[in-house]
Amino acid sequence: AQSVTQPDARVTVSEGASLQLRCKYSYSGTPYLFWYVQYPRQGLQLLLKYYSGDPVVQGVNGFEAEFIKSNSSFHLRKASVHWSDSAVYFCAVSPASSSFSKLVFGQGTSLSVVP
Amino acid sequence: GALVYQYPRRTICKSGTSMRMECQAVGFQATSVAWYRQSPQKTFELIALSTVNSAIKYEQNFTQEKFPISHPNLSFSSMTVLNAYLEDRGLYLCGARGVDNTLYFGAGTRLSVL
Repeated sequence: AQSVTQPDARVTVSEGASLQLRCKYSYSGTPYLFWYVQYPRQGLQLLLKYYSGDPVVQGVNGFEAEFIKSNSSFHLRKASVHWSDSAVYFCAVSPASSSFSKLVFGQGTSLSVVP
Repeated sequence: GALVYQYPRRTICKSGTSMRMECQAVGFQATSVAWYRQSPQKTFELIALSTVNSAIKYEQNFTQEKFPISHPNLSFSSMTVLNAYLEDRGLYLCGARGVDNTLYFGAGTRLSVL
């Protein structure tokens, strides 16, 4: 069975600083990987996804993530954060053999961007 | 673009009663629909996967008797929470899968149980 670990429950960064949110997954097969964001009192919005090819994927709002197979990681990065990036970020994995709908989510990382 | 609407956004029901929530895919054909629940302070749990013209697959700890789902066409799905109790409260998300295999989520239905 697959699982996702986001080791940092909360992260605080200053506006304009760089950001990395960590994600490690456990799955023996070929994974599809996703990052979603949940703004306060809202549902989930897709930031980016990795299916295959270039391990560095670009997403919306300047976010990117790098798939490192040897490390089973899919960390999310942003060069310069804005206060509006404050939200909860979820990493998710889906088996390549599945219908893509069966996502397994991490516990989420709550990001606070301070002045 | 691909949008998913969920209705209602918020609902409150008395303990032991039932409530129905709806999910509408707009701008694309949803080949399958996944229902998730986010309980307070927790991550998202998959309740069931529904594909039109196929049997609905429920995850462990979730049953059709408790969470019956209707998925009559490629743009609409509904789920009912029967006999709701405190442990059923949370944010219920509908995710609709597009032809690009991406799961697009609605804003969710937040269920409170009194």
